[in-house]
Amino acid sequence: QQQVKQSPQSLIVQKGGISIINCAYENTAFDYFPWYQQFPGKGPALLIAIRPDVSEKKEGRFTISFNKSAKQFSLHIMDSQPGDSATYFCAASIGQTGANNLFFGTGTRLTVIP
Amino acid sequence: DTEVTQTPKHLVMGMTNKKSLKCEQHMGHRAMYWYKQKAKKPPELMFVYSYEKLSINESVPSRFSPECPNSSLLNLHLHALQPEDSALYLCASSLDSNSFYEQYFGPGTRLTVT
Repeated sequence: QQQVKQSPQSLIVQKGGISIINCAYENTAFDYFPWYQQFPGKGPALLIAIRPDVSEKKEGRFTISFNKSAKQFSLHIMDSQPGDSATYFCAASIGQTGANNLFFGTGTRLTVIP
Repeated sequence: DTEVTQTPKHLVMGMTNKKSLKCEQHMGHRAMYWYKQKAKKPPELMFVYSYEKLSINESVPSRFSPECPNSSLLNLHLHALQPEDSALYLCASSLDSNSFYEQYFGPGTRLTVT
């Protein structure tokens, strides 16, 4: 059972546009929501993360919006650039050690067209 | 140094071969992870080491054998693999097992089993 649902599977955006990737979860025990960026042939890199007590977090062109009541969170990439073309994974974790507690979404392949 | 290194980058092995993957980090992290990633899929957790002790084994077949010789080094010994084991094998580390949500990934080893 997929703990974190991610959409869309793929996304094509013009340079300068806004890229939006959405994730949804059911388990209200999740308390940390990171986003990872993965370029082809590379490992995932932690991009930005949010905790459920905050509704929005911004780092440069990347913003996470979090809706606790809807159990949804999204990544917005403003002024998208060709260099942003990568696969993005949302994830959710539970603050409990000793278990597999980092659950990844299925990934979104973003292509930014020059 | 905020890098996780993995060697080799690529590995081709036959089903009767024995090979090892190596992962190294010098960030003083005390938790290290092995993941398997198939194309267009999120990483799947295989093993977790916490303070050089195996703390999680996600029901991985015994043909995969992890080893943590010291706090900076993590190996994955491979023996009698199957073609379906072909994948990108990722190593990651975090400050400790309490910080599992903030993992730093290496570039991976692309494994092909023939």
